[in-house]
Amino acid sequence: EVQLVESGGGLVQPGGSLRLSCGASGFAFSSSWMSWLRQAPGKGLEWAAHVNPDGNEKYYVDSVRGRFTISRDNAKNSLNLQMDSLRAEDTAVYYCVKDGGRSWGQGTLVIVSS
Amino acid sequence: DVVMTQSPLSLPVTLGQPASISCRSSQSLVYSDGNTYLNWFQQRPGQSPRRLMYEVSNRDSGVPDRFSGSGSGTDFTLRISRVEAEDVGVYYCMQHTHWPHTFGQGTKVEIK
Repeated sequence: EVQLVESGGGLVQPGGSLRLSCGASGFAFSSSWMSWLRQAPGKGLEWAAHVNPDGNEKYYVDSVRGRFTISRDNAKNSLNLQMDSLRAEDTAVYYCVKDGGRSWGQGTLVIVSS
Repeated sequence: DVVMTQSPLSLPVTLGQPASISCRSSQSLVYSDGNTYLNWFQQRPGQSPRRLMYEVSNRDSGVPDRFSGSGSGTDFTLRISRVEAEDVGVYYCMQHTHWPHTFGQGTKVEIK
């Protein structure tokens, strides 16, 4: 069974940093495209960042490019999202997602507020 | 960015009746490999999204056969043949032909 478990969310001040992690199990992690998606409270879905199986191709939506960094550790079956220079508009539930949306984690809430 | 436009945004339905959601893209979703990367997701209240359909018309495992997808190019449809109570939630179309991958605004399905 595919399992994706996010952690690392919480309350952070504007301009601050946070690192999200996702532990993966039940599938060939090192062969899978992995992504971080987010959903602001009461809003729709946004694809934030995307990384290929080897970790050497990374894509970001314009609103996070230059502030967020996606990375993966295939030896540890983990996906990360380093979020810097956080803004109020980054407040959202962040989901770890496999293969174009095939499987989702339960999400971790990030609140950016003073 | 490719804009995905869903209609309607709210869909009250009667149990046992059919329902249909439209999704239109601002550009063709046909990729260079000939495939069309258009997916449909369901998000029940308080839950993570769940993929229902991939590449327009392929149902994910465990998805009831009352769900079907169709369309091509820029015009797509998700149909529910007979709505059940468990179908309540928000439905999103999403394209991953072009980066950034983009979602429609969501269609809220509720029971009349």
